[in-house]
Amino acid sequence: DIQMTQSPSSLSASVGDRLTITCRASQSISSYLNWYQQKLGKAPKLLIYAASSLQSGVPSRFSGSGSGTDFTLTISSLQVEDFAIYYCQQSYSTPLTFGGGTKVEIK
Amino acid sequence: QVQLRESGPGLVKPSETLSLTCTVSGGSFSCCYWSWIRQSAGEGLEWIGRIYASGSTNYNPSLKRRVTMSVDTSKNQFSLKLSSVTAADTAVYYCARVATSTDGTEHFDYWGQGALVTVSS
Repeated sequence: DIQMTQSPSSLSASVGDRLTITCRASQSISSYLNWYQQKLGKAPKLLIYAASSLQSGVPSRFSGSGSGTDFTLTISSLQVEDFAIYYCQQSYSTPLTFGGGTKVEIK
Repeated sequence: QVQLRESGPGLVKPSETLSLTCTVSGGSFSCCYWSWIRQSAGEGLEWIGRIYASGSTNYNPSLKRRVTMSVDTSKNQFSLKLSSVTAADTAVYYCARVATSTDGTEHFDYWGQGALVTVSS
């Protein structure tokens, strides 16, 4: 199985901050990497697919980059509604696997 | 707008079979793979498997021995059965659509709201 490791596991930030979350795969996954946002009691929501493609309807302050084993999710200017848990997920091979999540809290 | 909704018992006894159904509305059912994903406090998000409208399946090897997925295209539904459950199978179970990008990558673009299933006697 491909292991997905996210860092940090949690962080505190303020509205307006620029935020970067990292995801590392245990082997090369090309650009087969997706990012999701999950709020309490809700299903995950797709933000970024294929490493850098913005899902329709997602604000442009979200962006993704990377290929191979190292990927990043960036929020250019954190908004109140962005406080949530973020997960990466690889779709390079089955079983599809997720990272452990990064919890973004208000400072 | 594609919508997915999970349904099924919220309480299952140990050693019995967990059964859930996902009903899809608002889009093509035959277009895509459909997946089950679960989330427990201790294990995070775990992919259970996927099924195509034709009935072809891929299961997570960690659960393969106990999982069966099926599809009913006449009702736009797909189902999950997980046998011999234990407390470790207590989780929120999500169904999701697997979308494929033009470059062949896959992602979960629509999700159900989730169904909490507790395994307890």
